[in-house]
Amino acid sequence: QKEVEQNSGPLSVPEGAIASLNCTYSDRVSQSFFWYRQYSGKSPELIMSIYSNGDKEDGRFTAQLNKASQYVSLLIRDSQPSDSATYLCAVNMAHTGFQKLVFGTGTRLLVSP
Amino acid sequence: GAGVSQSPSNKVTEKGKDVELRCDPISGHTALYWYRQSLGQGLEFLIYFQGNSAPDKSGLPSDRFSAERTGGSVSTLTIQRTQQEDSAVYLCASSISPNEQFFGPGTRLTVL
Repeated sequence: QKEVEQNSGPLSVPEGAIASLNCTYSDRVSQSFFWYRQYSGKSPELIMSIYSNGDKEDGRFTAQLNKASQYVSLLIRDSQPSDSATYLCAVNMAHTGFQKLVFGTGTRLLVSP
Repeated sequence: GAGVSQSPSNKVTEKGKDVELRCDPISGHTALYWYRQSLGQGLEFLIYFQGNSAPDKSGLPSDRFSAERTGGSVSTLTIQRTQQEDSAVYLCASSISPNEQFFGPGTRLTVL
């Protein structure tokens, strides 16, 4: 089992729809969770962080965390073609002494006009 | 500067040559990370520096790879005797805490 798992996609959604990106992780005591967006040919950009169970909203983005299920998700409302990118889930894990982020391989999102 | 900077942005080298990649982190960030990303792949952790502590080198793929961080700021990643499989984008990130890392634009290395 990978430490951080994401469906590679692509996830295709029409413009204006809700895109739902999912991530599961193996370390039950993980404390911090992050979503990065990476456009093709560019470096990852931090878009959301979440530390406690529940939802965290920032504009069109909502991060959802369920530690009991070891599951974190990112919802993008009113998806735009400019949201088309690869979304990386990252988790701060105990076995690293909480000193490093472990990244998933990313989910490619395609938003069609 | 406002963000993490890396140089060069692109590097083409011949197999067997040594290369040096530079990272200038955000001012005040004590943690610095190097990652490698091959085409269409995820991020591969290479090495981590935190303040004056000994670096975590657990991700370096071979002894041809080394890195240093001088004065707690600028870092250099050195690859000796480059091989074609070393071709990738090398990303540097810095952070105040181990959590929110901010990435530089990367160096695209091509080994012919």
